[in-house]
Amino acid sequence: EVQLLQSGGGLVQPGGSLRLSCTASGFTFINYGMSWVRQDPGKGLQWVSSISGSGATTYYADSVKGRFTISRDNSKNTLYLEMNSLRAEDTAVFYCARHTSESFFVYWGQGTLVTVSS
Amino acid sequence: EIVLTQSPATLSLSPGERATLSCRASQSVSNYLAWYQQKPGQAPRLLIYDASNRATGIPARFSGSGSGTDFTLTISGLEPEDFAVYYCQHRRNWPNTFGQGTRLE
Repeated sequence: EVQLLQSGGGLVQPGGSLRLSCTASGFTFINYGMSWVRQDPGKGLQWVSSISGSGATTYYADSVKGRFTISRDNSKNTLYLEMNSLRAEDTAVFYCARHTSESFFVYWGQGTLVTVSS
Repeated sequence: EIVLTQSPATLSLSPGERATLSCRASQSVSNYLAWYQQKPGQAPRLLIYDASNRATGIPARFSGSGSGTDFTLTISGLEPEDFAVYYCQHRRNWPNTFGQGTRLE
């Protein structure tokens, strides 16, 4: 059974940093691209960042480029999102998601809430 | 950036009825479009990928059609568990944007 277990959310002050983790099981992690998707409170879904299976290729939404870094440790089956210079508007539930072979999001983590507030 | 516009914003129907949801792209996404369902407090669930392929375990009452810029998700014979928010998403290029959602109530 595919599982994506997220950790690392919480309350952080504006300008602060936070690292989200997503630990995968039930599939060969290195074989699949992974992504982060956010959902602002009461709002729709926004793609944040994606990374290839090897980790060699990454993509970012303009809103987070230069502030967020996606990475993965294939030896630990874990995906990361390092978030720096956080702003109030980054307050959201963040989901990790595994790609299908067509790069859609077929499996999702449970979501983790990031609150940026003083 | 390709913008996906979903309509209607809210769709009010009854169980047993047929639901037709629309997703229009600001430029062609070929058939690189997916549909997701999201219920309150839950992660989204992939329903349809590449415009018309049902994901594993998705009931046959869900179907997708379209290509280029106009896409449709049809739910034939609504079940009580189908009332949720539905999003379309493309993977034609980066960024992979989502539509703003249609609430089915």
